[in-house]
Amino acid sequence: AQTVTQSQPEMSVQEAETVTLSCTYDTSENNYYLFWYKQPPSRQMILVIRQEAYKQQNATENRFSVNFQKAAKSFSLKISDSQLGDTAMYFCAFIVFGNEKLTFGTGTRLTIIP
Amino acid sequence: DAGVIQSPRHEVTEMGQEVTLRCKPISGHDYLFWYRQTMMRGLELLIYFNNNVPIDDSGMPEDRFSAKMPNASFSTLKIQPSEPRDSAVYFCASSTTSQGNQYFGAGTRLSVL
Repeated sequence: AQTVTQSQPEMSVQEAETVTLSCTYDTSENNYYLFWYKQPPSRQMILVIRQEAYKQQNATENRFSVNFQKAAKSFSLKISDSQLGDTAMYFCAFIVFGNEKLTFGTGTRLTIIP
Repeated sequence: DAGVIQSPRHEVTEMGQEVTLRCKPISGHDYLFWYRQTMMRGLELLIYFNNNVPIDDSGMPEDRFSAKMPNASFSTLKIQPSEPRDSAVYFCASSTTSQGNQYFGAGTRLSVL
């Protein structure tokens, strides 16, 4: 079975600080894709960043970057220079190559404090 | 592109009534997914389609749930009869490939009284 674990139910940081959200996953497969989704109070699920497991280089998207440790099955999200608009639930997810099902973690509620 | 469009945004109904949720995927996306989000169970995949054909409906909770995709630009998720435990946010998502980025609609919040 494929599982995703987000061990931090809630986090809060001051505006402009850097915050890291953790995610671990479990799969016996070698080819898969990892994602971070953001769900603000508006409820919309927004794709933040994607990482292909075969790539060693960590993905970055502006202020968002990941630390992908394949051997440890770890996929953390770093948000730099955090902004009030970053306040949201963040979900880690992955999908195995050849399987169209996206498996989600339980989420981390992030609050940016002014 | 307008993104994935879901309607209605909110639905309140009484137990036993039929509920129909609607989704318009992004044009050109061959895959369409229906998810349910609850506090207790998180995000669950209910069913997904490829080129309008249902591929896996193993996540559909009961026979009261059904989904259709009559064409590439429209899908429905129907609950008949509805029950209070069906109250949740229902999301539709679409993607270009099986491992492609899934883009979500704004969701439908369903409340069954």
